[in-house]
Parts: sequence; structure tokens; C-alpha cells
Amino acid sequence: AQTVTQSQPEMSVQEAETVTLSCTYDTSENNYYLFWYKQPPSRQMILVIRQEAYKQQNATENRFSVNFQKAAKSFSLKISDSQLGDTAMYFCAFMKLSRSGGGADGLTFGKGTHLIIQP
Amino acid sequence: DVKVTQSSRYLVKRTGEKVFLECVQDMDHENMFWYRQDPGLGLRLIYFSYDVKMKEKGDIPEGYSVSREKKERFSLILESASTNQTSMYLCASSPTTSGSYEQYFGPGTRLTVT
Repeated sequence: AQTVTQSQPEMSVQEAETVTLSCTYDTSENNYYLFWYKQPPSRQMILVIRQEAYKQQNATENRFSVNFQKAAKSFSLKISDSQLGDTAMYFCAFMKLSRSGGGADGLTFGKGTHLIIQP
Repeated sequence: DVKVTQSSRYLVKRTGEKVFLECVQDMDHENMFWYRQDPGLGLRLIYFSYDVKMKEKGDIPEGYSVSREKKERFSLILESASTNQTSMYLCASSPTTSGSYEQYFGPGTRLTVT
């Protein structure tokens, strides 16, 4: 079984600052995906960024980037130039690839980090 | 845009009632999932389905069942609701063929069992 740990229940930074959210995971799988999802007060879960475990290059999406350390089983999210709209719960999630490769396996989530961007 | 809809945003039921939570997706996705979300616990997988009439248990299936009679619809059933099933329930879907493995979530149903 997989476990995902987010050690920061809550973080607060000023607008325009850079913030890093931590995530570690434990698995014996070699082929898997990692995700960061955002859940704003509206409750709608939105994918922020994904990382394939077989890729060494860290994924980036505009102001969002990850630091993926496979050997250390670490997957942190960096948000640059933070904005008020970034205020949300952020969840780190793990998915092992199913035997069929169809991605039908569910996600294992961490407990979340509540990020507050202060004006 | 992918759209996943859930039948209710808020639901209040009594202990012992049979409860149906409905989820519909409009993007012809093969895979569908039910999670429950509790403060301090994150999201936990209840059941998932990778095809019509197929279902697989997730991490916390006890007290729940599911039904998938049509590809676009995935129902979560609480046979006899209990107060410890008060929670937020999130449905998600994902395609098999795209290779991105992104799951698209519905807006959630906040269920209160009294």
C-alpha cells in the first residue's frame, strides 16, 4: 500500500512571495504518477501539475513547479509570485499504474496543506 | 470542457435510510471513482470502476456499494446510513486512452446523517 505525507497542515505567505509545499510518499512501485491538486473554497478540485515517475525532469506549469526526488520519495510544489487566488487546500496524490496501463487505479491523497495568501 | 456532475450539493438523511449519490460525466470516460473527504484526513478512495458493470473496492469500502449500469453514470449507495458516514463525497472520472491519468472531479455532495 502507498502512503502520502504532507507535513504542513497550514501555511501563510504574503502576496507575490514564493512558497514551497512539502510532500513525501512511500511505495514499492517503480511506475507511478504524482499529482498536486488544488481545492479552493468553492470545493472544486483542480489539477495543478503532474509528474511521471520515469521522467527525471521536473514538471512546470507557469508559476507552479515541482521538485521531484525519486530516491528520496519527495515531491514538493513551488508556487512563484503567489496570488490571492492561490488560496486553497493543496493535496499531493499518488497513483500507481494499473496492470493494463489504463490508469484505472484510484489516487492516494495526503491530508492536505491549507495555503493562505495574505494581501 | 469535461463536466462531472453530482446530483446534490447538500443532503441530509436519517440514520438507517438508504442513500443514493449519483454522479454523471459527459466525456465518455471509462474510469469513475468515489472518494470521501474528511477534515484532517484528506480524500480516501471508496470504490472505483473501469468499465460498465465493473467495480473495484478502494481503501474504505465498508458500508458502501456502487452501481454502474451505464458508462456515464456511477452511483454510490449507502445501504443503511450511519452518523459516521457524514462527510463530503467527491466523484471523479478519467479516460483510459489519453495517457495523462488526470482525474476530473465533481463539485462534491456534503452528506449529513442525523
